Amino acid sequence: ETGVTQSPTHLIKTRGQQVTLRCSSQSGHNTVSWYQQALGQGPQFIFQYYREEENGRGNFPPRFSGLQFPNYSSELNVNALELDDSALYLCASALAGGRTDTQYFGPGTRLTVL
Amino acid sequence: AQSVTQPDIHITVSEGASLELRCNYSYGATPYLFWYVQSPGQGLQLLLKYFSGDTLVQGIKGFEAEFKRSQSSFNLRKPSVHWSDAAEYFCAVDDRGSTLGRLYFGRGTQLTVWP
Repeated sequence: ETGVTQSPTHLIKTRGQQVTLRCSSQSGHNTVSWYQQALGQGPQFIFQYYREEENGRGNFPPRFSGLQFPNYSSELNVNALELDDSALYLCASALAGGRTDTQYFGPGTRLTVL
Repeated sequence: AQSVTQPDIHITVSEGASLELRCNYSYGATPYLFWYVQSPGQGLQLLLKYFSGDTLVQGIKGFEAEFKRSQSSFNLRKPSVHWSDAAEYFCAVDDRGSTLGRLYFGRGTQLTVWP
C-alpha cells in the first residue's frame, strides 16, 4: 500500500506567476484535502475534493483552485502568486465514510515566492 | 467557530523525562481529536486519535492522550522522552461537519530534547 505522495518537493516562483502542485492519494482513498502551512504556524484548510467535486473550502481567495481526477489524484493551482503564498503545501487523503475517518498526509511541497 | 489552542509554543525536556503537551479546543459537541507530529522538512504523521469511547487513547511511539470533556482538553503525554521525539507536535480537531474530515490545527508545540 503506497502512502500519499506530492510533487514537486520544492518550488521557487516569482510574484504574479502561476503554480501547479500535485498529489497522489493513498490507495483506496476517495477524498483529498489541501492545507497551507506558513512558517511557524499550523496547517490551514484550503479546500477538499470528494469524488471529483469540491466539498468545502476554507478562507482562501478564488485564485486558489483545484482538481481531483478519476484516479483520485489531485492538483492545487495558485494564480497570481503573492509573497504571502510562500508556505509548505500539504495534501491529505482519506476514505470518506470509512471506519476511521482519518486523514493521511503527504510530505508536502515547499513553495517559495520571490 | 472551531478553534484549537496549544498554549506552549516551545517545550524543552531532558531525555528520559516525562512529557505533557497541552491542547484545548472550542467546539459545541465532541469532535474527533488528533495529534500529529512533524519532523523538520516532513509532512504530518498521525500519532493517535480519539473518536469516542475510552477517553485514554494509546498511540504510536509510546504516546498517549486523554480526552477531558469538562475541560475541552486533549493533552498528549509520554512517560519517558527519547531524543528522537524532538519535533513539532500539532493538535487537530475535526468538527464532523459537512466537509468530510476538515481539520482545524493548533499552532504547534516545538519539542526540544536535551541529551
